[in-house]
Amino acid sequence: AQKVTQAQTEISVVEKEDVTLDCVYETRDTTYYLFWYKQPPSGELVFLIRRNSFDEQNEISGRYSWNFQKSTSSFNFTITASQVVDSAVYFCALVGAVWGDTGRRALTFGSGTRLQVQP
Amino acid sequence: DSGVTQTPKHLITATGQRVTLRCSPRSGDLSVYWYQQSLDQGLQFLIQYYNGEERAKGNILERFSAQQFPDLHSELNLSSLELGDSALYFCASSVGGNSNQPQHFGDGTRLSIL
Repeated sequence: AQKVTQAQTEISVVEKEDVTLDCVYETRDTTYYLFWYKQPPSGELVFLIRRNSFDEQNEISGRYSWNFQKSTSSFNFTITASQVVDSAVYFCALVGAVWGDTGRRALTFGSGTRLQVQP
Repeated sequence: DSGVTQTPKHLITATGQRVTLRCSPRSGDLSVYWYQQSLDQGLQFLIQYYNGEERAKGNILERFSAQQFPDLHSELNLSSLELGDSALYFCASSVGGNSNQPQHFGDGTRLSIL
């Protein structure tokens, strides 16, 4: 079974503060993929990043960075110098992979973290 | 704009009724996924179609059904609607048939059951 836990239900910061969104996952698969999606107030879900279980390198994209640590089963997301436009619900998701059967697996989403960035 | 089109954006109906939600995937994408987002259940995977065939199934109720047509658009049919079916229904698409590929989501259809 797969499980994704986002323990932070809601975070409120002031603009320009750094903020880290936590994601802890559980899976028995040795190969798996992790994702982050953003859901702004307008409602659509926007893909941010995908990492596979073999690639533990941290990734930085502008003000966004991701820290993947297999040892702690975590895939945390940091926004540096937050902006009001970052206000959204952020979802972490996981899918396991079985050789020859990856199509049968479905994304498991965490419950999301609502980020409010105050001006 | 993700390139995934969902219609209608809003739907209001009564218990016991039947509705059809429609989704057009991004150009070139062969997979279509349906998700339900509700306050109590969060984001739940319902079903996936790949190139016209059912590929994976989640906790989709028997009252719900879906299909993908030759032009790759998909429809989700919800029947005998109950109050608890009120939710935001998302469609997503991806190029291949594997869920490990990034999925691109539509804007969703908000279904309200009165």
